[in-house]
Amino acid sequence: SQTIHQWPATLVQPVGSPLSLECTVEGTSNPNLYWYRQAAGRGLQLLFYSVGIGQISSEVPQNLSASRPQDRQFILSSKKLLLSDSGFYLCAWSPRSVIIPGELFFGEGSRLTVL
Amino acid sequence: KNQVEQSPQSLIILEGKNCTLQCNYTVSPFSNLRWYKQDTGRGPVSLTIMTFSENTKSNGRYTATLDADTKQSSLHITASQLSDSASYICVVSAGPGGSYIPTFGRGTSLIVHP
Repeated sequence: SQTIHQWPATLVQPVGSPLSLECTVEGTSNPNLYWYRQAAGRGLQLLFYSVGIGQISSEVPQNLSASRPQDRQFILSSKKLLLSDSGFYLCAWSPRSVIIPGELFFGEGSRLTVL
Repeated sequence: KNQVEQSPQSLIILEGKNCTLQCNYTVSPFSNLRWYKQDTGRGPVSLTIMTFSENTKSNGRYTATLDADTKQSSLHITASQLSDSASYICVVSAGPGGSYIPTFGRGTSLIVHP
């Protein structure tokens, strides 16, 4: 069966410090991968998605970047965190070839607090 | 522009009562609509999925309906339990020719009180 792992679960970082959140998927090949952010009381905002190694699409301009060094690994990074980067970050994957699109499987999330 | 609107934004009910959440969408071409449940501090988990030809889908005490003509969906929760307290998110996906990125609603926050 497929599983998705996301870490760390909780992170408290000072303003201006770097960030690295990691996500790995097991049990499938060539998944589509996504990073979402959820601010307190808000909906899910798509940050990045990837359809293959080294292929990253950004949905919104921001202080963050994403990379996909391996087929089932997705990394969210920042060189210098801002207060506004605080939030709940979710990694998700979807099968590449599907009959019914849009089936997303989410990780457990990473709670980032920037102080 | 693809959009998904959910109402109400928040809802408080007593344990054992029923409730209905609403979702209106403008995603085109339509492929499927999913309802997710997100417990606080956790990732969303899929409850139901409906395609164009399906009008209703049940998953235990959860029943989703879809009216593709009016582009509306509802999620009905029967005999609510404390564990139903969560955010319920409507997600609509486009079909061939449309964006393969699902469009998310902002969710309805449900609180079930004892």
